Amino acid sequence: GAGVSQSPSNKVTEKGKDVELRCDPISGHTALYWYRQSLGQGLEFLIYFQGNSAPDKSGLPSDRFSAERTGGSVSTLTIQRTQQEDSAVYLCASSLSGGFSNQPQHFGDGTRLSIL
Amino acid sequence: DQQVKQNSPSLSVQEGRISILNCDYTNSMFDYFLWYKKYPAEGPTFLISISSIKDKNEDGRFTVFLNKSAKHLSLHIVPSQPGDSAVYFCAASAHLSGANNLFFGTGTRLTVIP
Repeated sequence: GAGVSQSPSNKVTEKGKDVELRCDPISGHTALYWYRQSLGQGLEFLIYFQGNSAPDKSGLPSDRFSAERTGGSVSTLTIQRTQQEDSAVYLCASSLSGGFSNQPQHFGDGTRLSIL
Repeated sequence: DQQVKQNSPSLSVQEGRISILNCDYTNSMFDYFLWYKKYPAEGPTFLISISSIKDKNEDGRFTVFLNKSAKHLSLHIVPSQPGDSAVYFCAASAHLSGANNLFFGTGTRLTVIP
């Protein structure tokens, strides 16, 4: 399809394990964002990639969280030594461009992460 | 600190009538505002946006109004249809200050009654 693709759609893991979540943005979109939505909460910004610029990591809640974007396309969000409070839906979005242009972000269906 | 607020967690409207969803924000640097619609187990779907240089933007049945002095925006859906039943999120960003991330409200669940 032409939309943002995320995998896996669901992930259940034990506390303390590392997890990797993947995002394939819309082809041609240079900006990529990660958000998470905890139960009963709004979406919370995590990290933003724009082209080859250094990512904006200001939303990452701890140093257990990291993300990379290879070749300006696919992105991986990694959570190390998972904790129960990491349980949430992790959403990826992409937009045609970031910077100072107003372009809407388009979201994938998310990865539902459950930490036991 | 919730910079974007949707104070009504739910709204029920009869089919064919107008639905009005409200959103308030606190950050005067916000200059780009969006509405998203979300069905269960799906990601948010972009509906309509408005730049701070405008006070109204219309797209079919959807109209967004922005009142900068009141730091308030609203989404009007008319006529409402049962397929509009979903959770609606208001979002904002401060584009001109270089911050592209969106700040979201907690959503309003709209139910359109046939």
